Amino acid sequence: EDQVTQSPEALRLQEGESSSLNCSYTVSGLRGLFWYRQDPGKGPEFLFTLYSAGEEKEKERLKATLTKKESFLHITAPKPEDSATYLCAVRSGGSYIPTFGRGTSLIVHP
Amino acid sequence: SAVISQKPSRDICQRGTSLTIQCQVDSQVTMMFWYRQQPGQSLTLIATANQGSEATYESGFVIDKFPISRPNLTFSTLTVSNMSPEDSSIYLCSVEVGVGGNQPQHFGDGTRLSIL
Repeated sequence: EDQVTQSPEALRLQEGESSSLNCSYTVSGLRGLFWYRQDPGKGPEFLFTLYSAGEEKEKERLKATLTKKESFLHITAPKPEDSATYLCAVRSGGSYIPTFGRGTSLIVHP
Repeated sequence: SAVISQKPSRDICQRGTSLTIQCQVDSQVTMMFWYRQQPGQSLTLIATANQGSEATYESGFVIDKFPISRPNLTFSTLTVSNMSPEDSSIYLCSVEVGVGGNQPQHFGDGTRLSIL
């Protein structure tokens, strides 16, 4: 059974204080790891897909990395508008159904 | 990606009643998915809806409680039947756009349902 664990559950940062969110996973044959951002009252918004260990993707202040056991979402010099819940999901071989983690709630104070 | 519209965005319902949630996509898609999201919990897949066939339900979810329709390639409905307070949750529709079977899912903004 695929498992996804995100940490920390909640993170408070000061504006400009860089940090990382963790997504640890256990799957039988990773087909893809997905990062989403979810704002209050909204559905998850797709950010990145990572397919193999060593792969990196960047978008503005966000950078996602992938190893064989975990993924990190690095946030560089965050701004208050980066405040959201960040969700991680994995899809394993033979399944079209992704498994989601519980998310990390990020609050960036001005 | 795709633009996904859900209606209603929120509702407050009485115990024992039923509510139908609509999901409209701006492009034709093969599979549509219905999720439930409860506070502090991960997204839980209720069922997968393919056009022209019966929906496939995940363990713990049954058709009598969550009947689904998929009349065409851009539209689906989820009904939450005989509601109880335990059904209070956010219900999300999603689609997978593109080929290859490994594309990300894209979500609507959800329906926030409260049962009194």
